Amino acid sequence: DQQVKQNSPSLSVQEGRISILNCDYTNSMFDYFLWYKKYPAEGPTFLISISSIKDKNEDGRFTVFLNKSAKHLSLHIVPSQPGDSAVYFCAANSGAGSYQLTFGKGTKLSVIP
Amino acid sequence: SQTIHQWPATLVQPVGSPLSLECTVEGTSNPNLYWYRQAAGRGLQLLFYSIGIDQISSEVPQNLSASRPQDRQFILSSKKLLLSDSGFYLCAWSVGLAGVRETQYFGPGTRLLVL
Repeated sequence: DQQVKQNSPSLSVQEGRISILNCDYTNSMFDYFLWYKKYPAEGPTFLISISSIKDKNEDGRFTVFLNKSAKHLSLHIVPSQPGDSAVYFCAANSGAGSYQLTFGKGTKLSVIP
Repeated sequence: SQTIHQWPATLVQPVGSPLSLECTVEGTSNPNLYWYRQAAGRGLQLLFYSIGIDQISSEVPQNLSASRPQDRQFILSSKKLLLSDSGFYLCAWSVGLAGVRETQYFGPGTRLLVL
């Protein structure tokens, strides 16, 4: 049973445009969400997170939106750059004191120059 | 600042051989430590996590084991490798404080190929 789902395995976007990566979850106990970026043969790098008490968190070109009622979150990258080409993982945590992150399978973003 | 090291970076091993992957963290004390595996075309699968020395929790039954002999050292082992053990192994750490939201930071990974 996959509790965190990234239904798009890949996404292609033109340089300078917006990239939108989506993530859905099924476990209503999740209340902290993270996005990681991963290049081939490297470990994932933490990008941005959001707590369930917020619906938006912004850090430079990266913005994460959370819709709790829909159990949906998205990562917006504006403007997209070729260096953003990587696999993006969505992850969720079920609260303080819970040590585990549940990851989606990832979405491969390709930014075309 | 905190850094996490893994070695080796790449490993090719025959089926049935033993395995030892090492992970160390610098710049923090009492971290939570994690071992993940990413198989080809799949997401990140949590294998083990540890909240303290000699405190190991296993998430997936398999022929792998983990040990934490020191506060900032985490070792992944196997006595006999299987073909299905091939993959990309990632170590991660987190702050490990009660009440702190969990953000995990990953090492560079070890690519294991079992032939």
